[in-house]
Amino acid sequence: DADVTQTPRNRITKTGKRIMLECSQTKGHDRMYWYRQDPGLGLRLIYYSFDVKDINKGEISDGYSVSRQAQAKFSLSLESAIPNQTALYFCATSAGWEQFFGPGTRLTVL
Amino acid sequence: QQQVKQSPQSLIVQKGGIPIINCAYENTAFDYFPWYQQFPGKGPALLIAIRPDVSEKKEGRFTISFNKSAKQFSLHIMDSQPGDSATYFCAASTGYTGANSKLTFGKGITLSVRP
Repeated sequence: DADVTQTPRNRITKTGKRIMLECSQTKGHDRMYWYRQDPGLGLRLIYYSFDVKDINKGEISDGYSVSRQAQAKFSLSLESAIPNQTALYFCATSAGWEQFFGPGTRLTVL
Repeated sequence: QQQVKQSPQSLIVQKGGIPIINCAYENTAFDYFPWYQQFPGKGPALLIAIRPDVSEKKEGRFTISFNKSAKQFSLHIMDSQPGDSATYFCAASTGYTGANSKLTFGKGITLSVRP
C-alpha cells in the first residue's frame, strides 16, 4: 500500500464550486505539505503543517484553505474554484529533511 | 523573486551521454540542496542531496557538484539511460536538521534520453 495517498486522483469541476482534496499518510510523520505544480512554474508551496495544531501559509495560499484533522490527514479546500486553479496538486510528508510525495490530484476547473 | 533558478529548461541527450542540469540560488542561508526526480504520473521523489560543507557527492550514476562561492550546484548523470527520462527539480532549504524545514523548488527541467 502507498505511504501517502491522495483522493481524488482526477477531478473536473466548475467555476465557483467548493472542492476538497484529501491526503492521508501511514508514515507516522508530523509534517505535511500541499503543493501545486504548473508547467514551467515548478512546485509551489500552498500550505504546510508541522503538527496537528500548527498550520502555516506558503507562497501561494490565496484562494485555498486547509484542515489538519489528525496526524495522518491533511485536506486542501478551494472555497470557490476558478480556472487558474487548474493544476496538479501534491501532498507531501516529512519527519526531517526528506519529503515524501503522494501521487497527485489533477484538478481541472472549467 | 525566484530563489532557486534552474537551467536549461529542457534537455535531450543520447543514451550514454552525460546530461548536466544547473541550479543557482540566492539565499546564503540555504544549507541543504536536494534533487528530486519525477516520472510521468508520479509524485517527485528524492534522488540525491548535498550539504554545503562538501563540494561533490556521488550516488551510483548521479553526482552533485556544489560551488558555494558561486552559489551554484549541478546534477550530472553518468552513462544516461532512457529510464532516466523524467523531470528533475533542484531545491534548497534552511534547517538541515529538519526543524521548520521548507523546500524551495526550482521550476524543473524535462530530460529526454534517446535510445
